[in-house]
Amino acid sequence: DARVTQTPRHKVTEMGQEVTMRCQPILGHNTVFWYRQTMMQGLELLAYFRNRAPLDDSGMPKDRFSAEMPDATLATLKIQPSEPRDSAVYFCASGLLGILNTEAFFGQGTRLTVV
Amino acid sequence: AQSVTQLDSHVSVSEGTPVLLRCNYSSSYSPSLFWYVQHPNKGLQLLLKYTSAATLVKGINGFEAEFKKSETSFHLTKPSAHMSDAAEYFCVVRSGGGADGLTFGKGTHLIIQP
Repeated sequence: DARVTQTPRHKVTEMGQEVTMRCQPILGHNTVFWYRQTMMQGLELLAYFRNRAPLDDSGMPKDRFSAEMPDATLATLKIQPSEPRDSAVYFCASGLLGILNTEAFFGQGTRLTVV
Repeated sequence: AQSVTQLDSHVSVSEGTPVLLRCNYSSSYSPSLFWYVQHPNKGLQLLLKYTSAATLVKGINGFEAEFKKSETSFHLTKPSAHMSDAAEYFCVVRSGGGADGLTFGKGTHLIIQP
């Protein structure tokens, strides 16, 4: 049963610390998304990749956030330094887009709390 | 540019009665439209999708939605609500023209009364 896997599921960290969230997309999917969910803003697109290349990261605060795909099986979202306002649930999603426009399949999310 | 408006932040229905969750969209290109459901502390699950084929789309768990271009709407319906349908529902648009990012509505919280 193919699924998007995110680690860790929960993370509590102190303000100023570095946080790295990981995502394993579904094998064969060419597009990976990072979303952030908060009560106030709902679901916001932070960044997405096509064939490991970043296509759009305009939703991401550039000074502290960075997203990468070191290889086709791993996407990372890093926050350095973290701040309390970064507390949210971060979702990774993958899909096969372009030729076959499938839907995006979401992981279970990483719940980040910055104290 | 693309956007989604979910017209109701909360909808409450009695078990066994019909469900209607409203969604309007705007898109510069022919859009793909989706409904996702999120149960408490869970990820997002696709209910159904419209990608320019049949305008009436059937999804999982008895849900369906109708794409109406003239009204720019994609409302979600179910004939008879079940207690397990209680969740947050998101209407989502993806424009064509090479823009792949999904734009989410703010969500509608569906409450099922016994």
